[in-house]
Amino acid sequence: GAVVSQHPSRVICKSGTSVKIECRSLDFQATTMFWYRQFPKQSLMLMATSNEGSKATYEQGVEKDKFLINHASLTLSTLTVTSAHPEDSSFYICSAAPPGARETQYFGPGTRLLVL
Amino acid sequence: GIQVEQSPPDLILQEGANSTLRCNFSDSVNNLQWFHQNPWGQLINLFYIPSGTKQNGRLSATTVATERYSLLYISSSQTTDSGVYFCAPGRAAGNKLTFGGGTRVLVKP
Repeated sequence: GAVVSQHPSRVICKSGTSVKIECRSLDFQATTMFWYRQFPKQSLMLMATSNEGSKATYEQGVEKDKFLINHASLTLSTLTVTSAHPEDSSFYICSAAPPGARETQYFGPGTRLLVL
Repeated sequence: GIQVEQSPPDLILQEGANSTLRCNFSDSVNNLQWFHQNPWGQLINLFYIPSGTKQNGRLSATTVATERYSLLYISSSQTTDSGVYFCAPGRAAGNKLTFGGGTRVLVKP
């Protein structure tokens, strides 16, 4: 099956710093990737759609200047949490759909962010 | 957007028991996936099933698109089936999925 990786798997940072999370499709090219956030014991909430070669599309209520998304290649999307604060602590998960896979999305293992 | 409701929210099973998880959605969809989230947070694809019935081992799923619901059946449950099961339908262009609240399953030995 299609494999999606994320790095780092967990990160602890101080309040006010920026954190970059990478999402890679390992065995397929993805023109579109998705970023989700999941708080403890809650469901996944879509944050934004990452489009290769163009600007990301953000869901309502998600600050685009706070969560910077770059999709510079067909296998890599990055999410940067800028000036992180404790309320940004969460589980961030990316997904991608292989071309020709009938819209089936595959998810990365997630990144646990803790902002102190 | 689509409203997605999963039931029950929590389910405790004795090993070997069968169960049915339900997913209701508010609008017509052209995509629906079931996932199992393991204790480490990894989402595992179970089924892509916008309509019809599929089976994979002890799991099967049925989506009745015209009535806007999907069912996930777990037979002969095992402790490794524990975790959270999510239903995620989608209808917008670009494969966007909306996740339900999940069903938290605990299978006791």
